[in-house]
Amino acid sequence: AQTVTQSQPEMSVQEAETVTLSCTYDTSESDYYLFWYKQPPSRQMILVIRQEAYKQQNATENRFSVNFQKAAKSFSLKISDSQLGDAAMYFCAYRSAGGSARQLTFGSGTQLTVLP
Amino acid sequence: NAGVTQTPKFQVLKTGQSMTLQCAQDMNHEYMSWYRQDPGMGLRLIHYSVGAGITDQGEVPNGYNVSRSTTEDFPLRLLSAAPSQTSVYFCASSSRLAHTYEQYFGPGTRLTVT
Repeated sequence: AQTVTQSQPEMSVQEAETVTLSCTYDTSESDYYLFWYKQPPSRQMILVIRQEAYKQQNATENRFSVNFQKAAKSFSLKISDSQLGDAAMYFCAYRSAGGSARQLTFGSGTQLTVLP
Repeated sequence: NAGVTQTPKFQVLKTGQSMTLQCAQDMNHEYMSWYRQDPGMGLRLIHYSVGAGITDQGEVPNGYNVSRSTTEDFPLRLLSAAPSQTSVYFCASSSRLAHTYEQYFGPGTRLTVT
């Protein structure tokens, strides 16, 4: 079974600064997908960014980018120019590329505080 | 297009009571799942379905039942509520199309069992 570990329960960043959230995972599979989800106080789960394991290039979505290290099984999220609206719980998640379903395995989350 | 809807948003039960959490999606997605979210533990998979009439257990299925009689609906039943089932419950759906990635989540149901 796959496991996802987020070792930083809480992080804080000054507005306009850059912050990196860490995520490691354990799997014996070679093809899979990795995701970062954002959960603001409204509880809604919002997909921030995704990475396909077969792609070497790191994914980027505006101010959000990842550092995907497949050999090290590491998948960190970098938020540049942090904004007050970025304050939320962030979850790292793994999904196998094979199989018939689309279930996600989540990490325990990192609570990000953005300081004005 | 409402996406994934869940009812109720909040619920308080007494130990031993039963109830059904409703989940519906209007995107014609084949895959639907139920997760529970507990503090410090992220989201954990309870049950999932790959299509109407097909369900399977996830990581934490005990105490919950599901059925999938239509593509749109995937209700989660608590047969005899226990305080350990106090949690936030999320329903999610996704398409079976190749190279689709996103799971669409409902707004969640906060359940308290006293």
